[in-house]
Formats: sequence, C-alpha cells, structure tokens
Amino acid sequence: AQSVTQPDIHITVSEGASLELRCNYSYGATPYLFWYVQSPGQGLQLLLKYFSGDTLVQGIKGFEAEFKRSQSSFNLRKPSVHWSDAAEYFCAPYTSGTYKYIFGTGTRLKVLA
Amino acid sequence: ETGVTQSPTHLIKTRGQQVTLRCSSQSGHNTVSWYQQALGQGPQFIFQYYREEENGRGNFPPRFSGLQFPNYSSELNVNALELDDSALYLCASSLALGYEQYFGPGTRLTVT
Repeated sequence: AQSVTQPDIHITVSEGASLELRCNYSYGATPYLFWYVQSPGQGLQLLLKYFSGDTLVQGIKGFEAEFKRSQSSFNLRKPSVHWSDAAEYFCAPYTSGTYKYIFGTGTRLKVLA
Repeated sequence: ETGVTQSPTHLIKTRGQQVTLRCSSQSGHNTVSWYQQALGQGPQFIFQYYREEENGRGNFPPRFSGLQFPNYSSELNVNALELDDSALYLCASSLALGYEQYFGPGTRLTVT
C-alpha cells in the first residue's frame, strides 16, 4: 500500500539553528514528491517539489530537500531557521496514477527565540 | 490572478444535518480535489473532479458527494453529519490531472 512516514511529530530548534525534517515513502514507483507548510488555521502552502532530475531541489523561504531513491526519503532542510518558520510541515507524495496526495501526519516545528 | 477560494470560512452544524461547502478554483484550472483534515492529522483525500467528472475517491462513505460545475468551481456535500465529520475541509485546484495542486484556506466545520 502507498504510505508516507514523518517520524518526528514535534521538533524544537533555536532560531538560527539548522533544521532537517524527515520523510520516508513507500510506493511501487518513484512518486512526485512535495513538501507543504501549514500555519495555524491556514491552508497549505507549497514549499518545494520534486518530479525528476536533480535530486536536490530548492524551494521558497530558503528551504531545500534531497531525494534519495535508495532510502525512499525526501528530507527537508534549512540551514538557518527563522521564528516565522514555526508551523506544521507535511510531506506529500503524489502519483500520476491516482492523481492524489498522500499526506504524512506532519511535523510540528517550534522555534525558540 | 485569484487563488483558490472557499466558503464559508467556518460552519457549525448539528448531527444529522446536511452541509454544502464551496470552492472556486484558480483561474485556468480544470481539476479540483477535496481533502478532510481532522485536528492534529494530515489531510485525507476525499475525491477529485476533472472536467466535471469524478476522477478518483478516497476511503469516504457515499454520504460525502460532490459536484464540479462548467466553470470548474466545485461543491462538497455531506449528508447525515456525524460528530467525526468535524474537521477542516480543504479544496485544491490544479491546471490538469497530474499537475501540482494549489490549496484554498479551508472551511472549518464543527458538528455538535
């Protein structure tokens, strides 16, 4: 069955520290891969996406993610976190066969001043 | 360019009632998907419409139904509301099947 796992439910980092949010997926083939961010009470904003090609993709707000086929992972990173990055982050594989996102349970990021 | 809009923003209904949620897709987009996000959970796919036809459905009962209109706006209807239907309902539109989806702000439904 298609699934996605975000192992970290909550992460707390200090402002200015680096960040890595983990995402692992289980699919028959390599899906398209997305990261979304959701602020409290808000909809989802696309951070970045991977379709094919270069396995390191750049997104908005200084985020990047690396696709590793051998590990079925698509981890999100940011070298220096800002207080405004506090939000919930969702990894979402998307398959062309089903045309739908499978969302992970999310990782809630807290940033300490 | 107008993004995806949803109405109403908030809604309170009583168990057993029916509700209709509305979504206007982004200009030029012909595909709309609906997701349910319970508190503390990730969004769950309900169904998708492509050019007015249902194109896929998640694990939701038939009392969840939808429509897509010729202008590609969409409705989500839920009959016989249950307490567990309380959630944020997200609509997302895309240029076509297989393209990335753009989400609206959601409708917060509370069932009492």
